[in-house]
Amino acid sequence: GAVVSQHPSRVICKSGTSVKIECRSLDFQATTMFWYRQFPKQSLMLMATSNEGSKATYEQGVEKDKFLINHASLTLSTLTVASAHPEDSSFYICSARVGTVLSPLHFGNGTRLTVT
Amino acid sequence: AQSVTQPDIHITVSEGASLELRCNYSYGATPYLFWYVQSPGQGLQLLLKYFSGDTLVQGIKGFEAEFKRSQSSFNLRKPSVHWSDAAEYFCAVGATGNQFYFGTGTSLTVIP
Repeated sequence: GAVVSQHPSRVICKSGTSVKIECRSLDFQATTMFWYRQFPKQSLMLMATSNEGSKATYEQGVEKDKFLINHASLTLSTLTVASAHPEDSSFYICSARVGTVLSPLHFGNGTRLTVT
Repeated sequence: AQSVTQPDIHITVSEGASLELRCNYSYGATPYLFWYVQSPGQGLQLLLKYFSGDTLVQGIKGFEAEFKRSQSSFNLRKPSVHWSDAAEYFCAVGATGNQFYFGTGTSLTVIP
């Protein structure tokens, strides 16, 4: 149980285009999902907390207008990288928690974004 | 402030040898502790977790971890490492308010 599906796994786009990444909870409902960014050989950096039916909560230093998050249903959150640039190239991972803060996070398999 | 430290950036062990990955945490209350493993280009998979009770917890793939409050540690161990264990390992602390604090990770290389 507690499967998180992330799509696409890899995307290459040209500078200036927008890219949408989907994160789905397949067998549970997730009122809250989390979006992380991971640089090569580094830990995960929390970008934002996605709340179903309300605005996302962004971490300090994360541009809201660049990284658009929509949590339209209890099983789907999307991250759109608007007008992507090469510096946005990274590994993006979503996660969700089943239940309370006592529960572990379950992670998607990540999306490798390369902006040329 | 809450934090997680993994002192070893990279560890190399021989296949069949024992393994211990260190994790130290700083947290004001009782921590909820986790170990995750990440294979290249993949998301994170939960190995084990500690909330309360027995301080020695068993996880998947033959891993175990011991919570030592006096040392603020939650080290991950495995008696005999397999080549497939080569990956990145992250220790994490779960806190209130949906916060999760990750360590910087330890990269494990297994040599035949």
